[in-house]
Amino acid sequence: KQEVTQIPAALSVPEGENLVLNCSFTDSAIYNLQWFRQDPGKGLTSLLLIQSSQREQTSGRLNASLDKSSGRSTLYIAASQPGDSATYLCAVTRSNDYKLSFGAGTTVTVRA
Amino acid sequence: DGGITQSPKYLFRKEGQNVTLSCEQNLNHDAMYWYRQDPGQGLRLIYYSQIVNDFQKGDIAEGYSVSREKKESFPLTVTSAQKNPTAFYLCASSTVQTGGNQPQHFGDGTRLSIL
Repeated sequence: KQEVTQIPAALSVPEGENLVLNCSFTDSAIYNLQWFRQDPGKGLTSLLLIQSSQREQTSGRLNASLDKSSGRSTLYIAASQPGDSATYLCAVTRSNDYKLSFGAGTTVTVRA
Repeated sequence: DGGITQSPKYLFRKEGQNVTLSCEQNLNHDAMYWYRQDPGQGLRLIYYSQIVNDFQKGDIAEGYSVSREKKESFPLTVTSAQKNPTAFYLCASSTVQTGGNQPQHFGDGTRLSIL
């Protein structure tokens, strides 16, 4: 069974600092990995999707890396802003049934 | 403006009552999904459908039922058999392609509580 873990559960940083969010998964047989953002009481917004054959994806201040063999992904957010405060979830698409397995998320607070 | 609409935003259930959560999408997606989110846990898949008139159980289907009579709609019924229904329910949709590499789009969720 695929287990997805995100550590830490919560993170607080001053504005301008770079953010590093970690995601690990137990089964390397995945099709892709996604990072989502969730604001309080809201649904999920897809930030980045990394195909299993890729090593990283970038979008603006966001960069996500994937090391499938070690079961790890890292989301980097450069020069954090108060508007980046949210919960960030990672999810892997299981290769046996194409369904998503989610981590519990990391709640980020960026202090002005 | 394409997207997924979930209603109501808040819902309260009495003991022994069935309640239905609505999910409508105008993205022309074939696949639709229902997830449950509990505090401190990741999303868990309840049911999914890849085509009209067909749906499959997810990881935690007990106490729930769905229908898929139209491509745009995928309502979820929380039955009285679901003993712990208090949670945040999220609906999602995606295109269906080989390898499942298309991102899922999410609605804003329905928060269900017990009275």
